[in-house]
Order: sequence, then structure tokens, then C-alpha cells
Amino acid sequence: EVQLVESGGGLVQPGGSLRLSCAASGFTVSSNYMSWVRQAPGKGLEWVSVIYSGGSTYYADSVKGRFTISRDNSKNTLYLQMNSLRAEDTAVYYCARVPVYWGYFDYWGQGTLVTVSS
Amino acid sequence: EIVLTQSPATLSLSPGERATLSCRASQSVSSYLAWYQQKPGQAPRLLIYDASNRATGIPARFSGSGSGTDFTLTISSLEPEDFAVYYCQQRSNWPLVTFGQGTRLEIK
Repeated sequence: EVQLVESGGGLVQPGGSLRLSCAASGFTVSSNYMSWVRQAPGKGLEWVSVIYSGGSTYYADSVKGRFTISRDNSKNTLYLQMNSLRAEDTAVYYCARVPVYWGYFDYWGQGTLVTVSS
Repeated sequence: EIVLTQSPATLSLSPGERATLSCRASQSVSSYLAWYQQKPGQAPRLLIYDASNRATGIPARFSGSGSGTDFTLTISSLEPEDFAVYYCQQRSNWPLVTFGQGTRLEIK
């Protein structure tokens, strides 16, 4: 059974950093594209970043230069390092699987809440 | 950036009725469009991909149609569990995917 479990969310001050984790089971992270999608409170969905099976990475303009996506193949885990956090980064962050070349998110985690506030 | 505009913002219907949700793209996305369902406190769930293909395990009452810039999600006969928020998503310029703002389907 495919499962994605996020962790690492919490309250952080503006300008601070946080690292999110997404532990996967039932499939191999490195054989798929893996993505982060966020949802601000009461708002819609916003794509954040993706890492390809080959290791290439892409980011939304809103987080480029501040966020870094990575994975640990030995732990079958996806990460999102978030630096220079802003109030507008407050959201539930979901990790999601994207089968290679498909472009759609077929499995999602339950999400982890990141709150940026002083 | 491809902008997806969903209408209506809120749709109020009764169980057993037919629901028709719309998604319009700011430029052609061919058939590269998906629909997701999201219930409160839950992650989105993929319903339809490539405009008209049901994802694994999705009931036949859900159907999608359209191409180019105009797309429709139809729920033929609403079940109580179908009341949720629905989002469309384009992958035409992957990886720079975008989502619509959502349509809330509520019980009348």
C-alpha cells in the first residue's frame, strides 16, 4: 500500500528555517517524481517544488532561492528545506507522488502545517 | 503562467442531483487537465486525469470532458460523500503546474 507521511511542521519566526520530511512506503521515491504542494489556510492549492527521478529539481518562483527539495534514497524519504521563511509561507505542506512523465499527483500525504509568525 | 478559472465558486445541490463544474484555462492546455476532490481536513484525491480518464477506484458517476481551454467535471447523481471542494490542475507546461481556485459543492 502506498503511504506518505509528512513531519517537521511547526511555528517559526519570520526569517527562520524549517525542514519538512516525507517518509514513503509501498513504492520507491527515487523511481518517481516527488513534489511538494502547499495550501494556505482557507485557500487553494499551490505547487511548490518537484524532484525528478534523475535528480533534477524545479521550484515555483515564490520559493526559488529559499527552498530546497531533496531526497534520501536509503531512507525512501523526501525533504523540503525552507529558509528565509515569510508570513506568506504559512500553509499546510503536502508531499505528493507524480509517476514519471505523468504530471498529475496520484498519492498525497496528510500534510504538515507550517506557521510563520512572530 | 497558465491561469485556471473555476466556476461557480459555490454550487448548492441536493443528493441525487447532477453536478456540473467548470474549469477554463487562460490558454490551451490540450487535454492535460486533472480534477481533484478535497474534503475538510484531508488531502486532495485524484479523480480524473487527461481530461476524461477516471483514476483508479473512482466511481463511474464521476466523468470529465473538454479540451483546449474549456473543461467540465460532471457528477451524475450526487451521493452524500461527494460534497467537498473540487480543484482542476493543468500539466500542459509541466513542471510549472497550476491549480484552479476551487469549487465548493455544498448540500442544499
